This record gives sequence, C-alpha cells and structure tokens, in this order.
Amino acid sequence: GAVVSQHPSRVICKSGTSVKIECRSLDFQATTMFWYRQFPKQSLMLMATSNEGSKATYEQGVEKDKFLINHASLTLSTLTVTSAHPEDSSFYICSLAGVPPQETQYFGPGTRLLVL
Amino acid sequence: GNSVTQMEGPVTLSEEAFLTINCTYTATGYPSLFWYVQYPGEGLQLLLKATKADDKGSNKGFEATYRKETTSFHLEKGSVQVSDSAVYFCALRGQAGTALIFGKGTTLSVSS
Repeated sequence: GAVVSQHPSRVICKSGTSVKIECRSLDFQATTMFWYRQFPKQSLMLMATSNEGSKATYEQGVEKDKFLINHASLTLSTLTVTSAHPEDSSFYICSLAGVPPQETQYFGPGTRLLVL
Repeated sequence: GNSVTQMEGPVTLSEEAFLTINCTYTATGYPSLFWYVQYPGEGLQLLLKATKADDKGSNKGFEATYRKETTSFHLEKGSVQVSDSAVYFCALRGQAGTALIFGKGTTLSVSS
C-alpha cells in the first residue's frame, strides 16, 4: 500500500498560536485527501475533504477559517490550526485516496496536538 | 445519514481464543464495507474489505461477510495471537471517492 507520512508526529503549543501539520504521500499521487480528528477512545471524525487544486469541502460544524487546508500538490496537503485553544487538542489524521473507483484509503500515522 | 456501530471494548482474550467483533451499519444504497486495524503507535491499516452483499473479505486469518439482510459486517478470527492486540475499526464508504465513515473502534488485548 501507499506510504503516508505526517509531520510533526507530536506538537505542544501555547493557546493562541497556529500549528501547521503536513501530510505527504511518499509513493502515490493522491487526487483526494481527507483530514480526520480523533478524540481519546472515540471514532475518527471527518473534518474535511480536499481535492488537488481546489478548495476543501468542510463537514458540518468544522470551522473553515480555523482549520485551513491547502492541498498544494498531488503529494502534499497541510492542515493549519489557527489560534489554537485547549479544546483543539486532539489526534489529527490525514488520509489519501486515488481516482475513483479506487476503494482503498491510506492513512498517515497521525499528529498529536496538545494546546496548553 | 450513513453510520457504523461496533461493539464496545475492550475485548480481552487468551491466545488461541475465538474472536468476534460485531459491526452493524446504516446506509442508503450499497456501501462498501471495511475493517481497519491500528497497532500501537502506527497509522490505520486496511485489514479487509467487501464491496457487495455476500462478499467475504479475509486477510491474516481474519474474515468478515457483508450481510445486507442484517446490515452487518462482523469481524471473526478462529485463533487470535498476542500480535493481534490492536484497535479495530469498522468503516463504510457510501459512494466511490467519498470519505470513510468509522465506528468507534474496539480495543483487542490478547494475552499469552
């Protein structure tokens, strides 16, 4: 399967700062990338879907101005948490998929964000 | 909307025991169904999948059958190993190209 990396794997920041998380596909050109958020002992909740070269589509309840997504190329997507607050502390996971009807999604290892 | 419900964990078993993790779904149309596994410190990995009714997905001794009549996709393994200890997620995709929808995950702990 495809190899997906995320950077950083763990970040601690002060409240009010912005944090950028990178998601890279190392061997696969992804037309579509997904960003999920996972709270402890909870399921993965889809935050947004991004297609290369177009604006991301956000799920209901997800603030697009707070969670900025840039799908810069077929191998890179970034999620920026702007003006982070303690309630933004979570595990953020990216996932990529190829051209439909490609069924498989490939997941990154996740980024643990802790906002103090 | 589409949703996935899987049994609450944690599930604790001895090595070589039989495993069942229940998963049921709600969806319009004909979704594809998946089981993903997350080992400690790693990303989610596809374990198996089924794309239509009565299909059986299998991998590494695990199997699950897509049952449309009961809207279920239960995960089974005849003899678990310590190395199977992980979190297992049931998921569905309603349409090709859309994101997966996940259940809450079930933690499996196998002791020797």
